[in-house]
Amino acid sequence: NAGVTQTPKFRVLKTGQSMTLLCAQDMNHEYMYWYRQDPGMGLRLIHYSVGEGTTAKGEVPDGYNVSRLKKQNFLLGLESAAPSQTSVYFCASSPGDQPQHFGDGTRLSIL
Amino acid sequence: DQQVKQNSPSLSVQEGRISILNCDYTNSMFDYFLWYKKYPAEGPTFLISISSIKDKNEDGRFTVFLNKSAKHLSLHIVPSQPGDSAVYFCASGGTYNFNKFYFGSGTKLNVKP
Repeated sequence: NAGVTQTPKFRVLKTGQSMTLLCAQDMNHEYMYWYRQDPGMGLRLIHYSVGEGTTAKGEVPDGYNVSRLKKQNFLLGLESAAPSQTSVYFCASSPGDQPQHFGDGTRLSIL
Repeated sequence: DQQVKQNSPSLSVQEGRISILNCDYTNSMFDYFLWYKKYPAEGPTFLISISSIKDKNEDGRFTVFLNKSAKHLSLHIVPSQPGDSAVYFCASGGTYNFNKFYFGSGTKLNVKP
């Protein structure tokens, strides 16, 4: 079972570059989430989606955009990367009334 | 301002003994509480949860206790095993709020053989 798959696993960017992180889930979950994890801090919610075609802001949305064109995919975009966005990014999904399932993360470094 | 706090960054316990991990939250609207376990280079995996209508939930060696008046929850692992060594995150939130959860900063548990 694939569960939640994140692509890529690692990436190094230069300041100002753009990129998209892909999250795919094969569990037919309605809800999907993007988090970032920084040293000494818990996971912080960036954006989330409660269904295909919907997105909403979480705790730390600035500098990121998201799209949920298909139910199984949730994309996280950085339009102009900044060093403060160096982090480990986790995607999660949930059917709505059960705990979230997480991917293995994307480690992003911005120089 | 953190809504969920884990004040112990690390905990070391001897194999076979009890591990107690603690978590505090600030929002009295939270009605669902979870513990996740995380190994290096992997995503968090769900361990155990409790809703606000209960004060205790057990699953094998793992028990979560909730004290709503103190806004405090704890995870007990008995007996602790070396394979339990990982980072444990507590998360609190509301089923009323699209299952959005606030996570603590984690406690790294080391179970010594």
